[in-house]
Amino acid sequence: DAGVIQSPRHEVTEMGQEVTLRCKPISGHNSLFWYRQTMMRGLELLIYFNNNVPIDDSGMPEDRFSAKMPNASFSTLKIQPSEPRDSAVYFCASAMSLLAKNIQYFGAGTRLSVL
Amino acid sequence: EDQVTQSPEALRLQEGESSSLNCSYTVSGLRGLFWYRQDPGKGPEFLFTLYSAGEEKEKERLKATLTKKESFLHITAPKPEDSATYLCAVQDAYGQNFVFGPGTRLSVLP
Repeated sequence: DAGVIQSPRHEVTEMGQEVTLRCKPISGHNSLFWYRQTMMRGLELLIYFNNNVPIDDSGMPEDRFSAKMPNASFSTLKIQPSEPRDSAVYFCASAMSLLAKNIQYFGAGTRLSVL
Repeated sequence: EDQVTQSPEALRLQEGESSSLNCSYTVSGLRGLFWYRQDPGKGPEFLFTLYSAGEEKEKERLKATLTKKESFLHITAPKPEDSATYLCAVQDAYGQNFVFGPGTRLSVLP
């Protein structure tokens, strides 16, 4: 299996622009998680889906952030408009389920720089 | 609110010098505690899952243990390739909330 695939690996954009991050989970996994990692705050859970349905988006920092999962093999995290403080590494992870013995497998991340 | 703290923040060891990393947690019923390893520029890589106090798991030079309030990651005779950031995370009893600790940055010098 190719693992969790994220694109792009690096994104540089200017303040005010729209940014879309993409994730393809491991086939057969029905839970998907979006995280943000910064030096100051570490790894923070933004939102997670189960069976393509958003379960908890309480970690999404502002209305500028939105996430979708139109099908079991694809998810997007969108920031509109982007701001310099959004600069971070964004990780996507997938798991078999939300229940016990649930192991999250992470992608390589997208490093976002907002100038 | 679920919380996870890790200590030390950073640790430098000589090759072969054994040590332990600590993960302390408060959670509304623990469903699982996870250890991950993260190399620079990469995503966290799963190491262990522990579910109940007294449980232990081993993998090569690493051994993870769990009590009701904390977990330890013991590193025996480490090698330079063990250098990484080690992250601890907890999953609560409802099986939905995942909280990661800040990590311990380990450097093993040859």
